[in-house]
Amino acid sequence: QVQLVESGGGVVQPGRSLRLSCAASGFTFSSFSMHWVRQAPGKGLEWVAVISSDGTNTYHADSVKGRFTISRDNSKNTLYLQMNSLRAEDTAVYYCARDRGATYVQKCFDPWGQGTLVTVSS
Amino acid sequence: DIQMTQSPSSVSASVGDRVTITCRASQAISSWLAWYQQKPGKAPNLLIYAASSLQSGVPSRFSGSGSGTDFTLTISSLQPEDFATYYCQQANIFPITFGQGTRLEIK
Repeated sequence: QVQLVESGGGVVQPGRSLRLSCAASGFTFSSFSMHWVRQAPGKGLEWVAVISSDGTNTYHADSVKGRFTISRDNSKNTLYLQMNSLRAEDTAVYYCARDRGATYVQKCFDPWGQGTLVTVSS
Repeated sequence: DIQMTQSPSSVSASVGDRVTITCRASQAISSWLAWYQQKPGKAPNLLIYAASSLQSGVPSRFSGSGSGTDFTLTISSLQPEDFATYYCQQANIFPITFGQGTRLEIK
């Protein structure tokens, strides 16, 4: 079955870095665009970034642009989010999600991983 | 960025009720709209894509409609497992944006 499993979350001080990973299985990873979406505690959903199936194109939300970088390794079926210069407002559960479209990017998400919590605090 | 506004922010209903949630986009998005259900402590689950297409495995009591700027999610007969938070999301252009959520509570 299709599965996405995030890892790498934890507690980090402001200004430090963290790298999240998302291991994919049960589908042809290299055929799908992939996204990161986050949710601050008790808040709504915020889209963070997208990467094309071959990794050549990326797009980041303004709130993370210049600090976060999405990437992927299709040989390892793994998606990454490198987070630098972390701020308290980056505290959230981070979900990886597959784009629904295989033949074209649909910009909606199915399935989602279970999420990994990132807490930025001194 | 396209702003997505849901109403109501919360609604109380009973099992068997028909419930409608609305979502308005700040500019036209054709039919590029998705709906998600999220239960506490869980990841969201895609219900509807392209405004009215039911995602595989989702019960037929869920339906979506609309185009342009105004959209609705309807649950025809509420079941106990439907009490959750619902989000709309525009899938027209980047950056992707979500509505603020509608919490569906048991009356």
